[in-house]
Amino acid sequence: SAVISQKPSRDICQRGTSLTIQCQVDSQVTMMFWYRQQPGQSLTLIATANQGSEATYESGFVIDKFPISRPNLTFSTLTVSNMSPEDSSIYLCSALRGKTEAFFGQGTRLTVV
Amino acid sequence: AQTVTQSQPEMSVQEAETVTLSCTYDTSESDYYLFWYKQPPSRQMILVIRQEAYKQQNATENRFSVNFQKAAKSFSLKISDSQLGDAAMYFCASQQGGSEKLVFGKGTKLTVNP
Repeated sequence: SAVISQKPSRDICQRGTSLTIQCQVDSQVTMMFWYRQQPGQSLTLIATANQGSEATYESGFVIDKFPISRPNLTFSTLTVSNMSPEDSSIYLCSALRGKTEAFFGQGTRLTVV
Repeated sequence: AQTVTQSQPEMSVQEAETVTLSCTYDTSESDYYLFWYKQPPSRQMILVIRQEAYKQQNATENRFSVNFQKAAKSFSLKISDSQLGDAAMYFCASQQGGSEKLVFGKGTKLTVNP
């Protein structure tokens, strides 16, 4: 199985600032994704991180708020911009190998104060 | 659009007993995959079991097995001989064959009592 290293594991940020979350996979994968998991809730897909091109965002998520980069096959970043308390959540990176083998990072617990 | 429904927000089981977690789904596709993921307090999502829709045989992984009822669009997870380490959030998820995206249910919190 692939190993995904996600950091930071947690952070407390001031409103109005931005946080960049990094995700590194230890082997090549076909797809990378970013999810949000609000407290006590399920996972919601934010976007698909495309290598070398703009990410594909799901309904309700926009690039200005959640810019994503994926410069190579094994690394991606998610930035949460201009944060507000409503952005307090767990953010999870996921990678797909083959068609159905999905792996997840340990998540970043973000608290905005 | 795909939807996944888990109707049990919380379940509890005695250690060494068996528990079944329910999941129903809806999809218009004939080619899809179904999954159960476990999320312990460490937040790491761990794949428990996977079922291909075209396979009639229910998937089994050690103490974990599924009851896949395709016509009823039901995909329940049975955990046998429950252990304290099984305590976690369990998420049912589906993936359409032509897509790489996972759609998750709301989750079931499983408590294992000693």
